Amino acid sequence: GQQLNQSPQSMFIQEGEDVSMNCTSSSIFNTWLWYKQDPGEGPVLLIALYKAGELTSNGRLTAQFGITRKDSFLNISASIPSDVGIYFCAGQGVSGTASKLTFGTGTRLQVTL
Amino acid sequence: DAGITQSPRHKVTETGTPVTLRCHQTENHRYMYWYRQDPGHGLRLIHYSYGVKDTDKGEVSDGYSVSRSKTEDFLLTLESATSSQTSVYFCATTGTQGGELFFGEGSRLTVL
Repeated sequence: GQQLNQSPQSMFIQEGEDVSMNCTSSSIFNTWLWYKQDPGEGPVLLIALYKAGELTSNGRLTAQFGITRKDSFLNISASIPSDVGIYFCAGQGVSGTASKLTFGTGTRLQVTL
Repeated sequence: DAGITQSPRHKVTETGTPVTLRCHQTENHRYMYWYRQDPGHGLRLIHYSYGVKDTDKGEVSDGYSVSRSKTEDFLLTLESATSSQTSVYFCATTGTQGGELFFGEGSRLTVL
């Protein structure tokens, strides 16, 4: 199946720092999505991107749909302790159904006070 | 929240026993999905449903079956559990064909 490379795999940051993570694919996607998973919970959708070059914000989170349609980026500004969790990217294939959704392996974010 | 309830939340069973996980949703979403989550693999699709009695296989469907007799319920069955099926299982739903999924809280299954 399709592979999504998500990096970094994990990161420690200090409260107040900005965070960047990215996801790259060998295939073109029509949609990029970013989810966050808290410990013991299911993933929750943060941002959805539908167009190459699109830049979308959700509070302190900003995500971009890469021009090549093979990558996406997520930035978190001024991190706080509740940002701790695992962030997953997901790409939706050309066929446009969630059955064709491919998830990355996640970036584990840990914040030190 | 999409009102998704998974049961049981935790289960320990022995190799060779049948196991059924239930997903119940209150949002009348048409599409329902079962994923498994394992370290290093992210979320992988097991089976999905696009309506009552309409189901199809996902990426890792071997050893699993599903049924959907009502809009609100999607059952995942392991006919004869194996240790390789130890995992955390997530149900997800959506009202559209898109990737904007609502996930349940997960069911942790341990097969000894």
